[in-house]
Amino acid sequence: GAGVSQTPSNKVTEKGKYVELRCDPISGHTALYWYRQSLGQGPEFLIYFQGTGAADDSGLPNDRFFAVRPEGSVSTLKIQRTERGDSAVYLCASSLRGRATSNEQFFGPGTRLTVL
Amino acid sequence: SQQGEEDPQALSIQEGENATMNCSYKTSINNLQWYRQNSGRGLVHLILIRSNEREKHSGRLRVTLDTSKKSSSLLITASRAADTASYFCATESLGNDMRFGAGTRLTVKP
Repeated sequence: GAGVSQTPSNKVTEKGKYVELRCDPISGHTALYWYRQSLGQGPEFLIYFQGTGAADDSGLPNDRFFAVRPEGSVSTLKIQRTERGDSAVYLCASSLRGRATSNEQFFGPGTRLTVL
Repeated sequence: SQQGEEDPQALSIQEGENATMNCSYKTSINNLQWYRQNSGRGLVHLILIRSNEREKHSGRLRVTLDTSKKSSSLLITASRAADTASYFCATESLGNDMRFGAGTRLTVKP
């Protein structure tokens, strides 16, 4: 596809369950980012991948959150033992190059996670 | 944590009027970007302005950057109902994550 895609678009789960959110970046983009956006707020940085490696995971709120990008393309954000406070829209973005250069990030439509 | 702060939080204007949104930030930056978001979903990139630039234009959009005041403004001229959205500024420092503000909610009435 032409843009960043994310699946599922909506996810409803129960407190304590495990969820996986998927991101397909634009083909050829080396950098991939995950953000979390709560209602009425701007996106908050979670993690940045350059290729296959997590170059910066300083935004992950705690060890229940983990993300992988095993082949340097698709990424999965994993949340264990979900809590109601995890409810938010999770946004993925990709860019052609990483943070060493100023370049535009292209965002996906997001996954709206609701933890009941 | 968020760095940029947009002002105002909400703005309502009539179609045809100009809309000005401001962004202030706290630390030195490499660049500042403006994004638009409809209905709380995906963000669309509008303009990137580097720290050594003072003004950029793109169609009906004009962005200014004043690094001495750590502020930026986004001007939308001749607004349309379709411009109704939330607008976010995001700052990027070399090697650091991009920080977004809380956004300005713009409503353009037809």
